[in-house]
Amino acid sequence: NAGVTQTPKFQVLKTGQSMTLQCAQDMNHNSMYWYRQDPGMGLRLIYYSASEGTTDKGEVPNGYNVSRLNKREFSLRLESAAPSQTSVYFCASSLSGANVLTFGAGSRLTVL
Amino acid sequence: KNEVEQSPQNLTAQEGEFITINCSYSVGISALHWLQQHPGGGIVSLFMLSSGKKKHGRLIATINIQEKHSSLHITASHPRDSAVYICAVAGNQFYFGTGTSLTVIP
Repeated sequence: NAGVTQTPKFQVLKTGQSMTLQCAQDMNHNSMYWYRQDPGMGLRLIYYSASEGTTDKGEVPNGYNVSRLNKREFSLRLESAAPSQTSVYFCASSLSGANVLTFGAGSRLTVL
Repeated sequence: KNEVEQSPQNLTAQEGEFITINCSYSVGISALHWLQQHPGGGIVSLFMLSSGKKKHGRLIATINIQEKHSSLHITASHPRDSAVYICAVAGNQFYFGTGTSLTVIP
């Protein structure tokens, strides 16, 4: 019962580099989310996918892209990293919109 | 604008004390969630509720839909309860509070 698995756990990038955060869930959930968590702020939604084949922007989508590869996997890509993207990123999934969220362990990203 | 407000932001308690964390929200919701984030960073769901009250062990969550308010209570607090507690509401999307950092001193 792995739940939500996200990789990598830690990453350091230089400004302008690209990277992809991977997320996979094994609970047959329909909805998947990417959030960022910054000190003093609540979790903020970057992108979400309500179901396989759909993705939508959240509150802070600029500088990010996502891919819902299949029902299990939802990846987040930073095409050209900026220091403002230094944050802890959480992937989460739920059976559907308002249901219980299951979170991954988080990925701490530092952009120098 | 903050759709979800939590209070207090920080809370220190002696072991055994009764603790209350409050959450107020301003949007229409279908459910309210209480989450726990331990110092290691992982986030787990404690409760999802849309009315009334739920209890799990020493934790009790209540919600008043008319007043748009929820409380999380911890009875007989223990140092292992030390964590950040986050209120989240599910409307057309999830909105999160900034969390209440709880420290329980032995």
